[in-house]
Amino acid sequence: DTEVTQTPKHLVMGMTNKKSLKCEQHMGHRAMYWYKQKAKKPPELMFVYSYEKLSINESVPSRFSPECPNSSLLNLHLHALQPEDSALYLCASSQASGSYEQYFGPGTRLTVT
Amino acid sequence: KNQVEQSPQSLIILEGKNCTLQCNYTVSPFSNLRWYKQDTGRGPVSLTIMTFSENTKSNGRYTATLDADTKQSSLHITASQLSDSASYICVVSAVGGSGYSTLTFGKGTMLLVSP
Repeated sequence: DTEVTQTPKHLVMGMTNKKSLKCEQHMGHRAMYWYKQKAKKPPELMFVYSYEKLSINESVPSRFSPECPNSSLLNLHLHALQPEDSALYLCASSQASGSYEQYFGPGTRLTVT
Repeated sequence: KNQVEQSPQSLIILEGKNCTLQCNYTVSPFSNLRWYKQDTGRGPVSLTIMTFSENTKSNGRYTATLDADTKQSSLHITASQLSDSASYICVVSAVGGSGYSTLTFGKGTMLLVSP
């Protein structure tokens, strides 16, 4: 299984809502990543988890809260988002050694109204 | 500052023709270079990955080259198909620390294959 899955595929939420994005992989990868991608721009790194511990937080606003409950799952909890947070949110995973090749999920298209 | 630059920004070719995309990078410490294909609104899909010791890598109709001395890479697509229309992103990886990598993304080349 070389797949990273993300749910939901699409999400529309109001600025007062609380929602969560989910990411799952069963490749035995111990590094997992969240990226944000705006239209026609490259992905921007948000968070990195290595061995279920937060390794990088790229100064992301606290309205985004990551969680890594186990080695296969990565969540991104959303609260009080702004319309400018609308974007494609990508999850990726990689081995924690060797080539570190990152495998990307299909993304969640988030729209904040 | 780590940077990856790609050219051209966009390209239109006729179905069945070949094309070559370019990538220049300044990333340290260099781990590997990848080419990804990304359809609009979808996650990137890896085409090739090369370490500094590899000069060329093929994946079907895609052939990537790497010159670690000049810090240049190219992606050659042969016998293009309509389904090749997508953004092609050059990504350079640096080993970030304990058990993960950090990626520097190019802005991509938007390829349109016309019938």
